[in-house]
Amino acid sequence: ETGVTQSPTHLIKTRGQQVTLRCSSQSGHNTVSWYQQALGQGPQFIFQYYREEENGRGNFPPRFSGLQFPNYSSELNVNALELDDSALYLCASSFLATSAGNTEAFFGQGTRLTVV
Amino acid sequence: TQLLEQSPQFLSIQEGENLTVYCNSSSVFSSLQWYRQEPGEGPVLLVTVVTGGEVKKLKRLTFQFGDARKDSSLHITAAQPGDTGLYLCAGRGSMNYGGSQGNLIFGKGTKLSVKP
Repeated sequence: ETGVTQSPTHLIKTRGQQVTLRCSSQSGHNTVSWYQQALGQGPQFIFQYYREEENGRGNFPPRFSGLQFPNYSSELNVNALELDDSALYLCASSFLATSAGNTEAFFGQGTRLTVV
Repeated sequence: TQLLEQSPQFLSIQEGENLTVYCNSSSVFSSLQWYRQEPGEGPVLLVTVVTGGEVKKLKRLTFQFGDARKDSSLHITAAQPGDTGLYLCAGRGSMNYGGSQGNLIFGKGTKLSVKP
């Protein structure tokens, strides 16, 4: 068990709705990254949060947004859901030292989002 | 753009057989990680290789990092049904290649099935 927890585990939403996914990072970690994993694919980087600010973003539209809180937990928000947003959403926590970069990332179990 | 290509995409073998999974890129990575993922779960880190030419062993699993740090392989000896899962290789993105600081770039994975 990694100590990274995500909620909810499963979610069904209708096209056009909005969704919020949550992630609690591992104790001692200060960075949370979010990934989207479509069926049969490897995870794709959405964005990373460090010190409550976005610290890098992948090729995802602005309707994907996030937050990081003072306790380093994080939320992923997706507006105007589309059918192609159906995927497993993973968060990963790590420790970022500005001089040394990120430590190894540990993943939560994911949230399975289905958009109908 | 940094890409990681894994082969084969699917592998179905009998218990006791040996197998090798490959992870290749045209880009140099400072390190590569190997993860194993079971259905509905997040990826679990198996190993990180950092130095070109490095070989690491984890029981029946042997990981190798290419001398030029552009490729890696995972060899499993005497595979068991418990080895069944999706094996993912991942490397840290580099701003030198237009990547985002701290993100992991994943291959599409190798889906391994070991039959008793």
